[in-house]
Amino acid sequence: DAGITQSPRHKVTETGTPVTLRCHQTENHRYMYWYRQDPGHGLRLIHYSYGVKDTDKGEVSDGYSVSRSKTEDFLLTLESATSSQTSVYFCATLDGNSYEQYFGPGTRLTVT
Amino acid sequence: AQSVTQPDIHITVSEGASLELRCNYSYGATPYLFWYVQSPGQGLQLLLKYFSGDTLVQGIKGFEAEFKRSQSSFNLRKPSVHWSDAAEYFCAVGDGQGSQGNLIFGKGTKLSVKP
Repeated sequence: DAGITQSPRHKVTETGTPVTLRCHQTENHRYMYWYRQDPGHGLRLIHYSYGVKDTDKGEVSDGYSVSRSKTEDFLLTLESATSSQTSVYFCATLDGNSYEQYFGPGTRLTVT
Repeated sequence: AQSVTQPDIHITVSEGASLELRCNYSYGATPYLFWYVQSPGQGLQLLLKYFSGDTLVQGIKGFEAEFKRSQSSFNLRKPSVHWSDAAEYFCAVGDGQGSQGNLIFGKGTKLSVKP
């Protein structure tokens, strides 16, 4: 357990509203990731970060932005939520010694 | 481009029976390979990983996996399944140390266990 928490755990929002999901880690891991999980698609990488203020796009980054102002926090923002962004969002961190990714408990987001 | 294929979407086995979940990958170099398990409503937990060396790797909860380069496979096995093993299993491939640690996941195999 890498001490990863996600907030909120559940959220329902309306189309067109902005949404921010937060990931917090206590392990001082350099790399952090945001994934979305959808039935039949497995997990797909949205964005990742390789240090404070250093981020890059993943496979499904359109409609999402991220920020990392502190090592322990990685924020995922949906500027204007759409129904296609209804999903379960997972944050993960990378242990640079073992090269293992550890996952948070997930945030279930519903866009109505 | 890297890719991971898990051919079986859903598998049902009887408790006490053996289990094999298939995973095939596409990757140009020696891949880093992982199996994760996800119980309903939970995050993902790492079962085992392969980086190099012995091609048969042991993991937690009695699972093992075998890397076969010639078949581009990394199948997960367990000799005797318990009801608590019912979950979804994901195979993933990574691009190695010195990179960003990004993983490509398969679409998952859901395991059901019959009493």
